Amino acid sequence: DIVMTQSPDSLAVSLGERATINCKSSQSILYRSNSQNYLAWYQQKPGQPPKLLIYWASARESGVPDRFSGSGSGTDFTLTIRSLQAEDVAVYYCQQYYSTPPYTFGQGTKLELK
Amino acid sequence: EVQLVESGGGLVQPGESLRLSCAASGFIFRNYWMSWVRQAPGKGLEWVANIKEDGSEKYYVDSVKGRFTISRDNAKNSLYLQMDSLRVEDTAVYYCATEAARALRSWGQGSLVTVSS
Repeated sequence: DIVMTQSPDSLAVSLGERATINCKSSQSILYRSNSQNYLAWYQQKPGQPPKLLIYWASARESGVPDRFSGSGSGTDFTLTIRSLQAEDVAVYYCQQYYSTPPYTFGQGTKLELK
Repeated sequence: EVQLVESGGGLVQPGESLRLSCAASGFIFRNYWMSWVRQAPGKGLEWVANIKEDGSEKYYVDSVKGRFTISRDNAKNSLYLQMDSLRVEDTAVYYCATEAARALRSWGQGSLVTVSS
């Protein structure tokens, strides 16, 4: 199975500053036939289900603010939140959905306000 | 509006069974792969199983293979997870979710399953 490792485990950022979360896969999740990276990012606030933010590593889900962006390819990926807002405090997960299941998640990164 | 409503959770003893249901509305259910994802108390997300639009393909995480069975009834717009031989480590909130481009686009609110003696 593909192992997803996020860093850091927790992060404290001031309002208006940039937050960067990294995700590394144990093998490439770039599907060469369509040049797509099979990676998604989710946001989960306390007591709520996860919410899809980014898919195909960099495609923003409809309705997600453009301060959220995804980048990377192959095995190394980044979620960036430009100009952090109070409502962005949450746990963020990456997930790979390459090839046949299981589709594995990273361990999560807790984002807090400094 | 997409709605997914899980039900069937509860408290059971180790070795017992439980069947979760997920009622879907607001979209064409039969056109989507569906997944179950769980989250143990205070822990991260774990993908559990998924099923193809017509039910012809099913996949499971190793830890539930042979114990859990995913199924669907497209006529009833419903997804199910039959959980047998439950273990303490299966304690979690179980979410159903739609797959779109394989990512998990829409999620239910979850159903809590507690396995304890």
